[in-house]
Amino acid sequence: GQQVMQIPQYQHVQEGEDFTTYCNSSTTLSNIQWYKQRPGGHPVFLIQLVKSGEVKKQKRLTFQFGEAKKNSSLHITATQTTDVGTYFCAPTGTASKLTFGTGTRLQVTL
Amino acid sequence: DAGVTQSPTHLIKTRGQQVTLRCSPISGHKSVSWYQQVLGQGPQFIFQYYEKEERGRGNFPDRFSARQFPNYSSELNVNALLLGDSALYLCASSYDVSNSPLHFGNGTRLTVT
Repeated sequence: GQQVMQIPQYQHVQEGEDFTTYCNSSTTLSNIQWYKQRPGGHPVFLIQLVKSGEVKKQKRLTFQFGEAKKNSSLHITATQTTDVGTYFCAPTGTASKLTFGTGTRLQVTL
Repeated sequence: DAGVTQSPTHLIKTRGQQVTLRCSPISGHKSVSWYQQVLGQGPQFIFQYYEKEERGRGNFPDRFSARQFPNYSSELNVNALLLGDSALYLCASSYDVSNSPLHFGNGTRLTVT
């Protein structure tokens, strides 16, 4: 299956700082989904990117899909404590079989 | 509408035993997928079922099996449990298999002692 690496593995920020996680693949991806998992919770779908160079925004979250469709990023502006959790990218394979990335754990403190 | 429901929430088993985990998808969703999540790692794909047929299988041994029923609910069975099978088992439903977003249940926490 498609393998993706996410960096960083962990980031600790002060509330109000920005945060970015990167998802990198050695192969071209057809599309990619992003999920958030709160501590003790289950993954929750955030967004799907399909087109090369696509940029989508959800309030303080900005998602990008690289021009070559080999990488993607999630940027959070002015983090809040509610942003705490692990963010996973997940390229879609055949028939919605997702291969989750290694995840980036975000910790936000006041 | 109810989300994806899984039962039981927690389970403790002994090595060598067998376990059955259950999942009810969101109403209207025809696809169910199973994932294993070990602490500190991302979910790993085990199975996907659509319209009662297996549509995908991850890199798991034959001790793992699953099925989907006519009402689209699903069961995951694991035989001859090993300590390494201890994990959170997540069920996810989606409307179909065309890259639809997955809706996860709260999972079953399995501990093998």
